[in-house]
Amino acid sequence: ETGVTQSPTHLIKTRGQQVTLRCSSQSGHNTVSWYQQALGQGPQFIFQYYREEENGRGNFPPRFSGLQFPNYSSELNVNALELDDSALYLCASSFQVLAGTDTQYFGPGTRLTVL
Amino acid sequence: LAKTTQPISMDSYEGQEVNITCSHNNIATNDYITWYQQFPSQGPRFIIQGYKTKVTNEVASLFIPADRKSSTLSLPRVSLSDTAVYYCLVGGPVRFGAGTRLTVKP
Repeated sequence: ETGVTQSPTHLIKTRGQQVTLRCSSQSGHNTVSWYQQALGQGPQFIFQYYREEENGRGNFPPRFSGLQFPNYSSELNVNALELDDSALYLCASSFQVLAGTDTQYFGPGTRLTVL
Repeated sequence: LAKTTQPISMDSYEGQEVNITCSHNNIATNDYITWYQQFPSQGPRFIIQGYKTKVTNEVASLFIPADRKSSTLSLPRVSLSDTAVYYCLVGGPVRFGAGTRLTVKP
């Protein structure tokens, strides 16, 4: 069974640029969630995709967008990067049967640095 | 969404049992309680999940009183490698909070 994988591991961008982060969910999972984790803080929920549809969104501006593909892999896109976007971006997959009970399996994260 | 409150940090010594309590006064009827562990620069790792009473697995126990307004994660005989941040989540995974930073000393 393959776990959750994310790419790239590290990324450096400059302010104003756009970035795409990728996540492959664990086999058999139908839900992907994305989180932003700043240094020293807990993960902050960005959004969740369930069967290719957005299924909830945290307090993030529209320049944070996502996609989930038929194979349940996912992308996180961030436009017009700002310095405060520097963080560890985590992807988590789960098999959602009843909302709030699914166990999330996290990937190793992508460390994004915005200069 | 139920808000959770945990101690910011805890210290312990190798071989001791550690109990981390989480308060969740406005937990909803359908909410489960889930605990995650996170090491620096890694994604959180699922530890245990429960709805009521007691749940035990190979790494931890979770105690939930009848009113479900709190829960206690119990780590038996901790080692240095248990030094990490522990998060209590209620309901969906949306709100992680700051977690409890556990430091295990030799």
